[in-house]
Amino acid sequence: DGGITQSPKYLFRKEGQNVTLSCEQNLNHDAMYWYRQDPGQGLRLIYYSQIVNDFQKGDIAEGYSVSREKKESFPLTVTSAQKNPTAFYLCASSSGLAGGGVSRETQYFGPGTRLLVL
Amino acid sequence: QKEVEQNSGPLSVPEGAIASLNCTYSDRGSQSFFWYRQYSGKSPELIMFIYSNGDKEDGRFTAQLNKASQYVSLLIRDSQPSDSATYLCAVNIGGGTSYGKLTFGQGTILTVHP
Repeated sequence: DGGITQSPKYLFRKEGQNVTLSCEQNLNHDAMYWYRQDPGQGLRLIYYSQIVNDFQKGDIAEGYSVSREKKESFPLTVTSAQKNPTAFYLCASSSGLAGGGVSRETQYFGPGTRLLVL
Repeated sequence: QKEVEQNSGPLSVPEGAIASLNCTYSDRGSQSFFWYRQYSGKSPELIMFIYSNGDKEDGRFTAQLNKASQYVSLLIRDSQPSDSATYLCAVNIGGGTSYGKLTFGQGTILTVHP
């Protein structure tokens, strides 16, 4: 089955700790994205990557870091600099450069990781 | 003004009625528009996208786009209780080199009551 997986489903962070959220896709998509969703809010873009070994800051990148060493993987690290990390984190992918027309922009989401602070 | 704004909810409609969800956007250069449905505690799932002015129908769902007025709407005909969810509008603000980068509205909560 093709899809996007995120792990863990729930993650607890202690103060001052860095934690890493995993995102893997087997859709052969070029582009991948990380969003944060707070209760009752829409999605806010943290980072995105249109191709391996390249990524761009989104609207709320401070306190987060990413890497894109493989096409299938786009892990997100929530650093200790992120003072309010409690949120629902969503990873998405789209065909990006390889796709055609609007389909290349259509984003598909993983199941999400809920991050809580102890 | 927010870049993507959805009509304030929550919206409550009776079963079998038409639910109308609206979204306005600020950038006239936007090319692509998406509607996602998100059940409580779950991730968004794509309903449909639209990029040409006019209507696009898919089953009980119809997306309507008016670029001159900068709005996009989603109509749900014969609403069912299973349609109760948050509906997110997403827009490719700017288009061009920023393709793929979507800006989301805050969502509209829809409740369909029996």
